This record gives sequence, structure tokens and C-alpha cells, in this order.
Amino acid sequence: AQSVTQLDSQVPVFEEAPVELRCNYSSSVSVYLFWYVQYPNQGLQLLLKYLSGSTLVKGINGFEAEFNKSQTSFHLRKPSVHISDTAEYFCAVSVGGSARQLTFGSGTQLTVLP
Amino acid sequence: KAGVTQTPRYLIKTRGQQVTLSCSPISGHRSVSWYQQTPGQGLQFLFEYFSETQRNKGNFPGRFSGRQFSNSRSEMNVSTLELGDSALYLCASRSGTQPGELFFGEGSRLTVL
Repeated sequence: AQSVTQLDSQVPVFEEAPVELRCNYSSSVSVYLFWYVQYPNQGLQLLLKYLSGSTLVKGINGFEAEFNKSQTSFHLRKPSVHISDTAEYFCAVSVGGSARQLTFGSGTQLTVLP
Repeated sequence: KAGVTQTPRYLIKTRGQQVTLSCSPISGHRSVSWYQQTPGQGLQFLFEYFSETQRNKGNFPGRFSGRQFSNSRSEMNVSTLELGDSALYLCASRSGTQPGELFFGEGSRLTVL
């Protein structure tokens, strides 16, 4: 079975500073990886996904993530954050083949400070 | 294109009652999944439906059930409610059966008293 670990539950950062949200996964087979964002009182929105190909994935709102198979990581980065990026971020994995459900990490609350 | 619509958005029930939540997927999407979100357990997969058939089920008791209609709309039902069932229930749809982007609704927030 696959699992996802988000190493930081809370990440405070000042506006315009860079940020990295960490995600590690465990799976014995090939995986698909996702980052979702959840704003207060809303559902989840896809930021970016890795299915295959280039290990550097660019998403919406200036976010990007790098798939590292040897370290089983999929860290999310943004070079300069804005107040509006304050939200909870979830890393998720879906195992290739017949399994279609997503297994989510516990989430990282990103708080951007003025 | 309208997004995923969930009703009701908020509801309050008491222990022992049952509840039915509804989800209308994005037009053309045939796959609907349900997730439970709680502060303690995070996001947990309940089940997925595709073309009216349950394709996958999470590790939840039989009190949690669902179905999908021919128009892809889905309902989930929780019977004999317990306090621990208080959660945000999220529905998500996608166009096919392969892994890919899930489009989430805003959720139905259930409070069990």
C-alpha cells in the first residue's frame, strides 16, 4: 500500500520569500503524484501533477514541484509567495494500473505573513 | 462549464439518524469519488463510482454507502450516525477512469450531535 508523508504541518513565511513544502511517498510500484490546495471553506483545487516525463512539473499560480524517484520525494516550491497563497496544501499519490483512488498526506498549512 | 455541485452544504443531525448527501459532477464526467475530511484523520477515500458501478472502496464500515445514477449524479448515505462521522464530505469527479485531475466540490459539512 502507498502512503504519503508531509513533513511540516505548518509553514509560516514572509511575503515575497521563497517556500518549499515537503512531501515523501512510499510505494513499491510506479506512482502518479499530485499537489492540491484548499482555501478556507472550499474544496480542493489541483496545483500540479506528475504522471510521467519531465521530473520538473510546473503548475498554476507560479508553483512547481520536482519528482525525485531515488529519494521518493515530490516537494512543492514557489520562488516568491503572496498573501493570497495562504492555504492548506495536500500532497497525494495514486498508484498506477487499476488503482484510481488518491492517498493524501496530512496537509501543510502555509501562512504568508506581511 | 459548471463545477462539481454538492448539496446540502451544511447539515446537523443527531446520533442514530441517517443522512444522504448529493453530488452532481461536471458535465461529461463519468467518475465520481467521495472523500471524508476530518481534523484528526485528514482526507480519507470512501469510494469511487464509474458508470453506476462502484469501482473502488475505502476502509469504512458498511454504514457508509453510495450509488451513482445514469446521469452520473451520485449520492452517499451514512446510516446510524455516530459523533465521529462529523466531517466535511467531499465529492470529486473526473472524465475517465485513468489517474488524473480530480475536480472537487466545496463539500457537505456534517455535524452530528
